[in-house]
Formats: sequence, structure tokens, C-alpha cells
Amino acid sequence: AQSVTQLDSQVPVFEEAPVELRCNYSSSVSVYLFWYVQYPNQGLQLLLKYLSGSTLVKGINGFEAEFNKSQTSFHLRKPSVHISDTAEYFCAVSDNPNDYKLSFGAGTTVTVRA
Amino acid sequence: NAGVMQNPRHLVRRRGQEARLRCSPMKGHSHVYWYRQLPEEGLKFMVYLQKENIIDESGMPKERFSAEFPKEGPSILRIQQVVRGDSAAYFCASSPPYRTQGETQYFGPGTRLLVL
Repeated sequence: AQSVTQLDSQVPVFEEAPVELRCNYSSSVSVYLFWYVQYPNQGLQLLLKYLSGSTLVKGINGFEAEFNKSQTSFHLRKPSVHISDTAEYFCAVSDNPNDYKLSFGAGTTVTVRA
Repeated sequence: NAGVMQNPRHLVRRRGQEARLRCSPMKGHSHVYWYRQLPEEGLKFMVYLQKENIIDESGMPKERFSAEFPKEGPSILRIQQVVRGDSAAYFCASSPPYRTQGETQYFGPGTRLLVL
């Protein structure tokens, strides 16, 4: 089974500053990679996912992530955050053949301050 | 278009009681997945169900836990004789009928179970 490490549990950031959330996973031949966001009292919402092709993936709300196979990483970035980006962010990985079995990191709480 | 619904949102049980968690998938979805999140940990896969079938229950504890997804009605995760270690957030997700590789799973808000 995959293991996923989110290196930062808490990330405070000022409004309009950039943010990067780090995610590393254990190696595998082929993987599918996901970033989810959870706003207070809501379910997890998909931000973006990597299945194949271009290693730079663009998602909703101005987020993007880069798949780096050699470093087994899938870091999430946003160039300018808003107060509304305050939430918990989860990195998840799955691989073949049981690609439905997502393995999640412990989450990173992003707090955006004015 | 309603998302994945879970109820109750919060559930308190005493040791030895039963907990029943319900999940209604998104409209048109026929695949359901249950995950558990223990404090300070990531979500862990428990079970994958289709209507009236358990496809993969490799993440379910061997005893006291069971899951079903009947032809009619919500999916139910049942925990018998709860213990304090069962305190966690339980998330349900669903996906459309025709799965593709890396299919997106749509998550509900979770049920927070507290065992006293």
C-alpha cells in the first residue's frame, strides 16, 4: 500500500502571498495523484488530479500541482491566496490495479490572514 | 444536484453500544467507498461497495465492523460493541456507474463518532 507524507501540518500565510503545500509518496510503477480540499463542515472536494501526460496539472480556484516522478512528489501551489482558501488540504495517491483505494496524507491546515 | 449525504454528522455512543452510519451517494452514483480518519492521521480506506455487493473490504477490521449497500436506500456502516478506539471521523465517497482508471471520488462531510 502507498504511504503519503504531507510535510507541513500547519501553514499560516498572508492574503495575496504565494503558498506551496508539499506531498511525497512511496514509489510505485504508476500512480494516480490527487489533491482534495475540505472547508469547515463540508466534504472533501477535488482540487485537481494527475493521471498521465503533462506533469503540471491545473485545478480549480487557481491551484496547480507538479508531478515529479524522480522525487516521488506532488506539491500543490497557488501564486496568490485569498481568505477563502483557509481550509484543510489533503494529498492522496492510488495505484493499479486497485486504483479506487486512495491513500491519504494527514492533511495540511492553511490559515490565510489579512 | 445534492452531493453525498451522511448522517448523523455527530454520533456519541457508550462503550458496548452499536453505531450505525448512513451514506446516500450522489444521484446516479452506484459505487460507494468508506474511509476512516483517526485523530492526527490521514483517511484510510475501509470498504468498496456496489449495489448489493461488497467489492473490496480489505480495510475493514475483522470483527465488529460491517457494511452494506442495499438495492434501495443508503449505504450503512455498522459498528457493533463500540470501543474507545473506534472514535474517529468516518467519510463516505461515491463515484459514477462506469468507473475509469483514477475515477474521481466525491466525498460527504463525514460522521464524527465519539465513544465514551
